[in-house]
Amino acid sequence: AQSVTQLDSQVPVFEEAPVELRCNYSSSVSVYLFWYVQYPNQGLQLLLKYLSGSTLVKGINGFEAEFNKSQTSFHLRKPSVHISDTAEYFCAVMTRDMRFGAGTRLTVKP
Amino acid sequence: EAGVAQSPRYKIIEKRQSVAFWCNPISGHATLYWYQQILGQGPKLLIQFQNNGVVDDSQLPKDRFSAERLKGVDSTLKIQPAKLEDSAVYLCASSYDRQTQYFGPGTRLLVL
Repeated sequence: AQSVTQLDSQVPVFEEAPVELRCNYSSSVSVYLFWYVQYPNQGLQLLLKYLSGSTLVKGINGFEAEFNKSQTSFHLRKPSVHISDTAEYFCAVMTRDMRFGAGTRLTVKP
Repeated sequence: EAGVAQSPRYKIIEKRQSVAFWCNPISGHATLYWYQQILGQGPKLLIQFQNNGVVDDSQLPKDRFSAERLKGVDSTLKIQPAKLEDSAVYLCASSYDRQTQYFGPGTRLLVL
């Protein structure tokens, strides 16, 4: 079965700084990869997804992620964060079903 | 387009009581999922429906949890009897292509 590891449980960063949230996965078959964001007391919102094709995927709110098959990674990046980006971010991998990582809490400080 | 609707948003019960959650997916989405999200963890799939049939319920604790989707549209998840460790957020999601999932706001359950 596939699994997902989010390498950082918390990432504090100052406003307008760049950020990278790291995600590694393991699977014996081809996968689809996703990043979701969860704001307090809300459900999950899709940021971006990799299904096939270009390994650099652009999503909403200025986020992007790069699929690296050799390193089995799918790290999420944003060149300049805003206070409103403060939230929980989940990486997920899908083969037969969807498996989520434990989440990374991004806190953007003024 | 209306999103995934869930109710209630919050529920507090005592252990050994029963509780039910309701989900109405996005119109036209054939696939419906129920997830359990324990505090500090990612969501864990409980059950997946394709129309009104169960595709995967391998992680559903069947001695106390049950779910149905009788007409292939809305769905109900029930817990009977509840345990303290069932305290979590229960998320419903739907999909039209079994790839991208759209999530509802969740029901936050506290078992005392």
